[in-house]
Amino acid sequence: AQKITQTQPGMFVQEKEAVTLDCTYDTSDPSYGLFWYKQPSSGEMIFLIYQGSYDQQNATEGRYSLNFQKARKSANLVISASQLGDSAMYFCAMRDGGDSSYKLIFGSGTRLLVRP
Amino acid sequence: DAGITQSPRHKVTETGTPVTLRCHQTENHRYMYWYRQDPGHGLRLIHYSYGVKDTDKGEVSDGYSVSRSKTEDFLLTLESATSSQTSVYFCAISDSETGDQTNEQFFGPGTRLTVL
Repeated sequence: AQKITQTQPGMFVQEKEAVTLDCTYDTSDPSYGLFWYKQPSSGEMIFLIYQGSYDQQNATEGRYSLNFQKARKSANLVISASQLGDSAMYFCAMRDGGDSSYKLIFGSGTRLLVRP
Repeated sequence: DAGITQSPRHKVTETGTPVTLRCHQTENHRYMYWYRQDPGHGLRLIHYSYGVKDTDKGEVSDGYSVSRSKTEDFLLTLESATSSQTSVYFCAISDSETGDQTNEQFFGPGTRLTVL
């Protein structure tokens, strides 16, 4: 069964430093996609970055990058130069390529607090 | 921003009463989803729709029903609300017609439901 694990319930980072949020996944489907979403205190879900299982390079979007290690089944989110506005919940999610519903399986999330 | 609205945004109800939550989109996306968010669980899929009158169950569908009579509207009904259904409910949409795995899900603002 598909599963997403985020082992860090909460993390602190100093402003302007980089931080890595961990995500491991489990699936038997060779085709899948991995997503990261941000949920600030206001509650909305904001899409950050996507990585496909067949993508040759790690995905990057501005200050966000995804450290994709396929053999280890990990898809860690790296935020560079943290800002106060990065304080939020972060969710890792997966979609199996063979699932016609295109549904997402979410991890339990990591709460990030950026210190000034 | 994707055009997704949810109504009501907040609701307090009593155990045993029926409740209907509405999700409305202006994007003409085929797929629509209802998730619930609870502490420690991330988001879990309740039901989803892959077209008008086409729906299917998700991971936590017991006690919920859905209907989709128009492309733009997806209704979630709690036939007889229980305290365990106190949660934040998110609607999401996806345009996965091509099967492109990069199509992320866009989320509505959420509905906070409290069942007393």
